Amino acid sequence: EAQVTQNPRYLITVTGKKLTVTCSQNMNHEYMSWYRQDPGLGLRQIYYSMNVEVTDKGDVPEGYKVSRKEKRNFPLILESPSPNQTSLYFCASSPRVAVVGETQYFGPGTRLLVL
Amino acid sequence: DQQVKQNSPSLSVQEGRISILNCDYTNSMFDYFLWYKKYPAEGPTFLISISSIKDKNEDGRFTVFLNKSAKHLSLHIVPSQPGDSAVYFCAAMVSYDEVIFGPGTSLSVIP
Repeated sequence: EAQVTQNPRYLITVTGKKLTVTCSQNMNHEYMSWYRQDPGLGLRQIYYSMNVEVTDKGDVPEGYKVSRKEKRNFPLILESPSPNQTSLYFCASSPRVAVVGETQYFGPGTRLLVL
Repeated sequence: DQQVKQNSPSLSVQEGRISILNCDYTNSMFDYFLWYKKYPAEGPTFLISISSIKDKNEDGRFTVFLNKSAKHLSLHIVPSQPGDSAVYFCAAMVSYDEVIFGPGTSLSVIP
């Protein structure tokens, strides 16, 4: 089954404790991205990657890191989480960089609470 | 300032009636728009899109209308069904690799 998986689905942590949210897709997609969803703000893009070893900042990259060492994986790293990073996070992938909107597949989301 | 706005956070509609979800955008350069649907505990899924060369696009019960002069689009669902209850996000393609989402409208279809 074609899918984007994220782990963990739910996470409660404390300020300053490094964490990684993993994202994996089994569709051989070139393009992957991370979004955060906050009430009243919709989904905002954090980082995206057009291919292996190619990453770029989205609208809200501060406080986050990503890496793309393999095509299928795109982990999101919070080196020193803060309470304002409490949010619902979505990973997404797309088979091509053009018209990513229609062909973008989203993972189920990771709900993060930073105390 | 948000470039894609959905001014109604929520909407309730009776089953069988029409649901109309509205979206406004600020940048007249945007020329491709999408609607996504999101159920609880799931990621968004693509629903329907429209290019600025059209003013209407229809797919089954879902129709999107675009008014470029007003920088406004709307999603019509006819007839509405309980399974349509979800959060709907309006989005604009900024470039070939970037989509800007609105804040979403939560639709409840009452049986």
